Amino acid sequence: GENVEQHPSTLSVQEGDSAVIKCTYSDSASNYFPWYKQELGKRPQLIIDIRSNVGEKKDQRIAVTLNKTAKHFSLHITETQPEDSAVYFCAASNGGKLIFGQGTELSVKP
Amino acid sequence: GAGVSQSPSNKVTEKGKDVELRCDPISGHTALYWYRQSLGQGLEFLIYFQGNSAPDKSGLPSDRFSAERTGGSVSTLTIQRTQQEDSAVYLCASSSTWAGNQPQHFGDGTRLSIL
Repeated sequence: GENVEQHPSTLSVQEGDSAVIKCTYSDSASNYFPWYKQELGKRPQLIIDIRSNVGEKKDQRIAVTLNKTAKHFSLHITETQPEDSAVYFCAASNGGKLIFGQGTELSVKP
Repeated sequence: GAGVSQSPSNKVTEKGKDVELRCDPISGHTALYWYRQSLGQGLEFLIYFQGNSAPDKSGLPSDRFSAERTGGSVSTLTIQRTQQEDSAVYLCASSSTWAGNQPQHFGDGTRLSIL
């Protein structure tokens, strides 16, 4: 079955810097890759997703890249702000269930 | 409704008791998913529904866990003879169709504590 590895587990950046979180997946049939942001005690919220027919997608300060050959995808956050502090999860799917990475705790220091 | 609704928000029960968790998906969403999140951990898939059918139950940890969905809407996750390792946040999500590549939207979850 699918397995998703996520790195780093914790990431601390200064406000205004960029943050990058990386994930690898094992199942070459996976074709959908969402990213969720989860603040403490809150529900996971979808922030961006990418499908396998696209290599990159951007939404304001957030971008995701996908390398199908290498089976990895990354989240890029530019001009980080304190409110970006949260746990970020990547996931992969080939239909139906999502398989999640273990999460990255991002801390943005003012 | 406007979003995925789950109840109860918190449940504390004694080991050995049965519990029922409820999920009301976004109106019109045909696919419904259950996940479990243990403290400080990622999300673990349990089961998903296409309409009232469950084509993938592969994530249910044991035969003490079961789920059903009626009328293509509300779903109930039942845990029988609860154990302490069942303590976790149980999250429900829904998507517009069962076909892959559709965004899944989560509820606030039920925090289950087994004493």
